[in-house]
Amino acid sequence: DVKVTQSSRYLVKRTGEKVFLECVQDMDHENMFWYRQDPGLGLRLIYFSYDVKMKEKGDIPEGYSVSREKKERFSLILESASTNQTSMYLCASSVGGRDGYTFGSGTRLTVV
Amino acid sequence: KNQVEQSPQSLIILEGKNCTLQCNYTVSPFSNLRWYKQDTGRGPVSLTIMTFSENTKSNGRYTATLDADTKQSSLHITASQLSDSASYICVVKVPRGAGNMLTFGGGTRLMVKP
Repeated sequence: DVKVTQSSRYLVKRTGEKVFLECVQDMDHENMFWYRQDPGLGLRLIYFSYDVKMKEKGDIPEGYSVSREKKERFSLILESASTNQTSMYLCASSVGGRDGYTFGSGTRLTVV
Repeated sequence: KNQVEQSPQSLIILEGKNCTLQCNYTVSPFSNLRWYKQDTGRGPVSLTIMTFSENTKSNGRYTATLDADTKQSSLHITASQLSDSASYICVVKVPRGAGNMLTFGGGTRLMVKP
């Protein structure tokens, strides 16, 4: 089975801190995605990547950046964390042109 | 306005009973429609995937239906079990740029009580 691993389940950070959320997948998938999930809003796409060093903005990229230096790893960066970035963050991966999306277990980030 | 609307937002049923969750979408065209199950504190897991030409698809006690004319889908759960307690998310895959993107509904939170 494809495994998508997010490095932290729970994270508490202070306002203004630089935050790194890490995601690793072990099945050589081309596509990787970062979503945030908030009550009543569903999952919203922050950034995605179709290949190493490639990245594209999703629906809500403001306040975030990403890095994909290796195919298996896709990092989400909060340059200066703010309280409105408190949320559940979900990473997903998929094979290019195929339908199977696999999600990680999520990182619940609280910014205080 | 969300392009994928789900109802109800939450639902409580007794173990062994059936239930139906609804999904209305406005996105067009779309590649496929999926239902995901998300346990608390976990990522979503796919239950069914249907293309616009499919009317129904089953996965064990889960049966999804799709009416592409009215842009409605439903997820029917038969003989519910306590382990069915979760959020159920309707997702529409739409063409976007060079690829396809997922548009998520807000989910229905189901609680099955003994």
